[in-house]
Amino acid sequence: GAVVSQHPSWVICKSGTSVKIECRSLDFQATTMFWYRQFPKQSLMLMATSNEGSKATYEQGVEKDKFLINHASLTLSTLTVTSAHPEDSSFYICSARAIRDRGYEQYFGPGTRLTVT
Amino acid sequence: RKEVEQDPGPFNVPEGATVAFNCTYSNSASQSFFWYRQDCRKEPKLLMSVYSSGNEDGRFTAQLNRASQYISLLIRDSKLSDSATYLCVVNINRMEYGNKLVFGAGTILRVKS
Repeated sequence: GAVVSQHPSWVICKSGTSVKIECRSLDFQATTMFWYRQFPKQSLMLMATSNEGSKATYEQGVEKDKFLINHASLTLSTLTVTSAHPEDSSFYICSARAIRDRGYEQYFGPGTRLTVT
Repeated sequence: RKEVEQDPGPFNVPEGATVAFNCTYSNSASQSFFWYRQDCRKEPKLLMSVYSSGNEDGRFTAQLNRASQYISLLIRDSKLSDSATYLCVVNINRMEYGNKLVFGAGTILRVKS
């Protein structure tokens, strides 16, 4: 399968600071990447869809000014959590969409565990 | 009602057992279907896509019933390494809002020796 990397794998930050998470597709180009958040014992929830060269599309209830997304190239998308608060502590996972013979498939990065103190 | 519903389990089975997971989805605009597995504190990994004709990959067999909006996964000859959470995932076409993967909460499988 395709490889997606994320950096950092975990981060601890103080309340009020900003954190940037990078997502890269290593062996394929991804015009579309997705950002998810997963709280303990819950499903992954889509936060936003990131399209290369255009603005991200945010899901209902996700603040676009708080979660800044930039998809600068076909292999890189970044998520910046601005002015992080303890309730933002979560497992953030990116995903990149690859085009296969029978349609699209999504591959996930290893996730970034964010803890805000 | 949740868009994708799964029995949370856990399913505790001995090695070598056959186990089946079920999943139902509510959105008739659902276009494609997948099973992912997620290990503890890790990212989901694609196990297999699910096609209308049913498909098999080694010990894993997936079935889709569009009329009943029902998806299943059968695991034969369970191994210890199969222990994980299995996520039923549905791709919904939202037209101008783009496709969206909707995840079930997962079914926990524990295979014991």
